[in-house]
Amino acid sequence: DVVMTQSPLSLPVTLGQPASISCRSSQSLLHSDGNTFLHWFQQRPGQSPRRLIYQVSKRDSGVPDRFSGSGSGTDFTLKISRVEAEDVGVYYCVQATDWPLTFGGGTKVEIK
Amino acid sequence: EVQLLESGGDLVQPGGSLRLSCAASGFNFGSDAMIWVRQAPGKGLEWVSVISGDGYKTYHADSVMGRFTISRDSSKNTLSLQMNSLRVEDTAVYYCANDPNSAGHYWGQGTLVTVSS
Repeated sequence: DVVMTQSPLSLPVTLGQPASISCRSSQSLLHSDGNTFLHWFQQRPGQSPRRLIYQVSKRDSGVPDRFSGSGSGTDFTLKISRVEAEDVGVYYCVQATDWPLTFGGGTKVEIK
Repeated sequence: EVQLLESGGDLVQPGGSLRLSCAASGFNFGSDAMIWVRQAPGKGLEWVSVISGDGYKTYHADSVMGRFTISRDSSKNTLSLQMNSLRVEDTAVYYCANDPNSAGHYWGQGTLVTVSS
């Protein structure tokens, strides 16, 4: 199985400041069809997860443009350009290139 | 509006069985693979099962293989998860969702399964 490793585990951020979350996979996530099925999810307290970014860098509908994703191969990053109060929650990277689907352990974003 | 509504969660004793359902609406249910993902209390997300859009291919996590069975009824837009031989470690909120690789990706609100004597 592909192991997904996120860092940091916890990320205290000042409102209006940027935040960055790293995700590394144990093998390349480049699929034979040329796509990279690395996605980012947000789970706000008490809510279901929702996808923010799919295929590394494509924003889902309704996701603010302060969220961006980048990376390739085995190294990926989610960036929030200016953290807002509504961004508090746990962020997960997930790979769907190779089954079984595997999630990173999560990064908890909180306001300082 | 897309909706995924899980039901069937309950308190059950170890060794017992439970059947979860997920009613889907607002998207082309029959064309998407569907998954179950669970989240133990205070823990992260764990994929459980997947079924292809046509229902012919299924795949389960090692932790539930031989005990859980995923199925779908596209005539009723319903996804199911039959859970047998439940263990304490199966305690979690269970979510249904469509293919995470789909352009539109959706999750339900979850249903709580508690396995305890």
